[in-house]
Amino acid sequence: DQQVKQNSPSLSVQEGRISILNCDYTNSMFDYFLWYKKYPAEGPTFLISISSIKDKNEDGRFTVFLNKSAKHLSLHIVPSQPGDSAVYFCALGSSNTGKLIFGQGTTLQVKP
Amino acid sequence: DSGVTQTPKHLITATGQRVTLRCSPRSGDLSVYWYQQSLDQGLQFLIQYYNGEERAKGNILERFSAQQFPDLHSELNLSSLELGDSALYFCASSPGQVPETQYFGPGTRLLVL
Repeated sequence: DQQVKQNSPSLSVQEGRISILNCDYTNSMFDYFLWYKKYPAEGPTFLISISSIKDKNEDGRFTVFLNKSAKHLSLHIVPSQPGDSAVYFCALGSSNTGKLIFGQGTTLQVKP
Repeated sequence: DSGVTQTPKHLITATGQRVTLRCSPRSGDLSVYWYQQSLDQGLQFLIQYYNGEERAKGNILERFSAQQFPDLHSELNLSSLELGDSALYFCASSPGQVPETQYFGPGTRLLVL
């Protein structure tokens, strides 16, 4: 039973365009939502997060959107850069249980 | 550099053996989390410790155990190892109980032969 799904295993975009990464979840218990970036042979790097009381959080080129009614989370990267090429994981957490559940990841390739 | 350190970086052992993975959290962080990443699976949450106490448990096998010491470093013990335990094991830390931000170490790659 996958509570968190990143339905696109990979995404390819042109440098300078927008990258949109998506994440769907099934359980309403999650109250905070995070995005991580991971390069091969390294640990995940925290990018941006949002709590359930907000629907948008922006940090530089990265914006996270939360649609609680649709149980959908997305990460927008604008403009995309070749250095953004990596695997992106969404992670959903519950402050009650302390658990963090990760999606399967989406591999983003930004072409120069 | 996230400030989280893990040792060893690589570990090769045989089935049936026992190993200990070590993690030092970022300075000031009270929570330590352990994750397993297998080839065919994403990051699986194993267990969380907060200030020395177990706070949350995920998909951790009974053959695995962990603890957090008074200096806040943590160890993950894996025993009666099986081939399927081969994976990347990540440690992460966060300041409080709730991982609103979480900083990952570089991981320990375990290979069970």
